[in-house]
Amino acid sequence: KAGVTQTPRYLIKTRGQQVTLSCSPISGHRSVSWYQQTPGQGLQFLFEYFSETQRNKGNFPGRFSGRQFSNSRSEMNVSTLELGDSALYLCASSLRPVGQGARMNTEAFFGQGTRLTVV
Amino acid sequence: GQQVMQIPQYQHVQEGEDFTTYCNSSTTLSNIQWYKQRPGGHPVFLIQLVKSGEVKKQKRLTFQFGEAKKNSSLHITATQTTDVGTYFCAGVVYTGNQFYFGTGTSLTVIP
Repeated sequence: KAGVTQTPRYLIKTRGQQVTLSCSPISGHRSVSWYQQTPGQGLQFLFEYFSETQRNKGNFPGRFSGRQFSNSRSEMNVSTLELGDSALYLCASSLRPVGQGARMNTEAFFGQGTRLTVV
Repeated sequence: GQQVMQIPQYQHVQEGEDFTTYCNSSTTLSNIQWYKQRPGGHPVFLIQLVKSGEVKKQKRLTFQFGEAKKNSSLHITATQTTDVGTYFCAGVVYTGNQFYFGTGTSLTVIP
């Protein structure tokens, strides 16, 4: 079956602009999480959506937002871009929400990521 | 706040040598997962551990979850060049609903 698809793969934006990234999860997966990956900070959790509801949000400013549609596809938006927002943005889908039952498999399948460069 | 640290941050080994990365959490975890990310790639799931003291093996890889469920380790026996990449642990705290990813260990294997 098809994996997690993220579009676009690469983006170059200027400071102050906004950007929307898209993530299509594996068919049947209703949980989508977003992460920011930078060389200095590693993988930082942004938010998780399950059945169109945001379940949890990481420690990021309000400029970072997201949503999930009824088909489980998710988008994240970053407004008023700053140089420090340059990163690889990864989305991951899973069958169940993270933390739902310690013994249940909540394996996350990651997309290839969107490489955002802010200049 | 919750933190998951990994050591070492970098490791260079000769092909054939063993490798171990350690993951330590500031709080008790309900489960822990391990992921591998090849250079230029995305994280790929390796395994999930749930029980206290659990040990699982995948060919040359051995994963362990500590008795207190606050630490974990990944050991690779006789490394190969295909083992190159960054290894991340990701823990979930009890009643929590997010992964806390470790800082990662970057493994370089010298042929």
